[in-house]
Amino acid sequence: GEDVEQSLFLSVREGDSSVINCTYTDSSSTYLYWYKQEPGAGLQLLTYIFSNMDMKQDQRLTVLLNKKDKHLSLRIADTQTGDSAIYFCAESFSGNTPLVFGKGTRLSVIA
Amino acid sequence: ETGVTQSPTHLIKTRGQQVTLRCSSQSGHNTVSWYQQALGQGPQFIFQYYREEENGRGNFPPRFSGLQFPNYSSELNVNALELDDSALYLCASSFRDSNYGYTFGSGTRLTVV
Repeated sequence: GEDVEQSLFLSVREGDSSVINCTYTDSSSTYLYWYKQEPGAGLQLLTYIFSNMDMKQDQRLTVLLNKKDKHLSLRIADTQTGDSAIYFCAESFSGNTPLVFGKGTRLSVIA
Repeated sequence: ETGVTQSPTHLIKTRGQQVTLRCSSQSGHNTVSWYQQALGQGPQFIFQYYREEENGRGNFPPRFSGLQFPNYSSELNVNALELDDSALYLCASSFRDSNYGYTFGSGTRLTVV
């Protein structure tokens, strides 16, 4: 069955890089996403990567995909206090099939 | 371009009651999905609507039902509310033939007492 695992907490100092990791089980997943959720808010799509890619970079965000190990990571460079939030990894078979989410990683940025 | 809007933002209901949550899709989107996010958990897929018909359903009982209207807005109805239905309910819209995924609303926080 489908399952997405994430570590629950990460704490970093302002200005450092943050790396949030995720593993998934469904090898047929074609789309992998990172969403951000701030307190009391909905989900904001940060970035996504197709399974035929190894890496995607978007400003301060770098996504790495190891398809063999079914491992996805999100690196945030120069982490700021405004990056404090819960980050969800999600997978889906296509751009319109249901998303399967992990439980989220709570990122705390210390000033 | 408007995003996804949900109403109400917060709601308190009593066990056994029925509730209706509403969602307006992002302009240009024709597919609506609903997710339930319990406290401390990731969102769980409830169901998806396309062309006013249910187009996929997660592991939720029949007392969770929905509608999609011709303007692509949607409702989520929950009958016979239980305490465990307390959660954030998220609506997400997308364009069926797009690869760009979903746009989420801010959610409705439902508390069942």
